[in-house]
Amino acid sequence: KAGVTQTPRYLIKTRGQQVTLSCSPISGHRSVSWYQQTPGQGLQFLFEYFSETQRNKGNFPGRFSGRQFSNSRSEMNVSTLELGDSALYLCATAYEPRYEQFFGPGTRLTVL
Amino acid sequence: QKEVEQNSGPLSVPEGAIASLNCTYSDRGSQSFFWYRQYSGKSPELIMSIYSNGDKEDGRFTAQLNKASQYVSLLIRDSQPSDSATYLCAPHILTGGGNKLTFGTGTQLKVEL
Repeated sequence: KAGVTQTPRYLIKTRGQQVTLSCSPISGHRSVSWYQQTPGQGLQFLFEYFSETQRNKGNFPGRFSGRQFSNSRSEMNVSTLELGDSALYLCATAYEPRYEQFFGPGTRLTVL
Repeated sequence: QKEVEQNSGPLSVPEGAIASLNCTYSDRGSQSFFWYRQYSGKSPELIMSIYSNGDKEDGRFTAQLNKASQYVSLLIRDSQPSDSATYLCAPHILTGGGNKLTFGTGTQLKVEL
């Protein structure tokens, strides 16, 4: 089975811009979660989608949003980028009723 | 109190020794527990899942869970240099109708020759 894929792998943006990241889950996985990883804060939960619905949301500002398509692929969007948004953004997918999450390689976002 | 606590390390063990990694969590609603290994510059890789109290063994890895003490651990036997990585503990809870993993900051393990 192919693993979780994320695109792009690297991204450089400037403050004030917006960015869209994409995640394609493992075949059959309908739950997609997004995480932000920084050296100071570790892995922090952004949100989870299942069947095109956001089921859970972490403690991030509204500039962070996401969506899921009918084929379970998911995108997350960050608007009005700030320097502090520089991080590794990871998506993880799961096959319910099992809750094991499998991570993609991540998108490294640098905000200048 | 942090939701998930792990010693940041580094934890140094000689090759062939047993590495013991510990994790405590605060949410008693946590039902499943996962251990991830993350190499520098890579994404986390799931290495162990444990769902009930007791021990679970998989190859050189043994996960131990004590829900009453809110404690979960990972033992790595016959440690190899390739085990050098950061190990993340992640309790799972059902919340808001969905799933959530809360990660500890991880323990850095160094296996020395």
